[in-house]
Amino acid sequence: QQPVQSPQAVILREGEDAVINCSSSKALYSVHWYRQKHGEAPVFLMILLKGGEQKGHEKISASFNEKKQQSSLYLTASQLSYSGTYFCGTASGGSNYKLTFGKGTLLTVNP
Amino acid sequence: GAVVSQHPSRVICKSGTSVKIECRSLDFQATTMFWYRQFPKQSLMLMATSNEGSKATYEQGVEKDKFLINHASLTLSTLTVTSAHPEDSSFYICSARDQREGQPNQPQHFGDGTRLSIL
Repeated sequence: QQPVQSPQAVILREGEDAVINCSSSKALYSVHWYRQKHGEAPVFLMILLKGGEQKGHEKISASFNEKKQQSSLYLTASQLSYSGTYFCGTASGGSNYKLTFGKGTLLTVNP
Repeated sequence: GAVVSQHPSRVICKSGTSVKIECRSLDFQATTMFWYRQFPKQSLMLMATSNEGSKATYEQGVEKDKFLINHASLTLSTLTVTSAHPEDSSFYICSARDQREGQPNQPQHFGDGTRLSIL
């Protein structure tokens, strides 16, 4: 089942912060975050595996609340290069692994 | 890091043509690879999971005879769009993850994608 992302789109000025949320109605084993620029393939940002786990990547970090089946991606002091569509992908545990992506959040960072 | 190579990057062909897309894992072995399709401004939709040495697992609504998948080795999976029509025009992307022993929970890495345009 496809995870739900919010907001659908966000416009920032350079230096501002943003939060992108991802929630699922199914129990999650892991949450994966990707960024895709127009016409290109998605680029892996980070994977979160444990409940409450928080990871960071430069000024981009994420949290995963296993009990609430939610994850959030935090972008601080945004840069122009952060523009793109952010997708969360969720995977259930077990042998039948597959990654299901949300509809994406279009982030635009303006000068 | 893990690299996935996809070829060709763009195909333009006439309706009725069959098109083959290759996906290779360059520095790791992948027992499974994933094929996604993405329409403009939409999400990545999983079409099928390619399994090395066995049949692919297709998602609901994806025609097996239309989208032929072959995973003949641990580093190569191919997707063939048979008798392609304009409605098959899309961005096709393959993905794989390093599943070596001792490398649990690895991320999926994507190829650069193939933009297929059927005239």
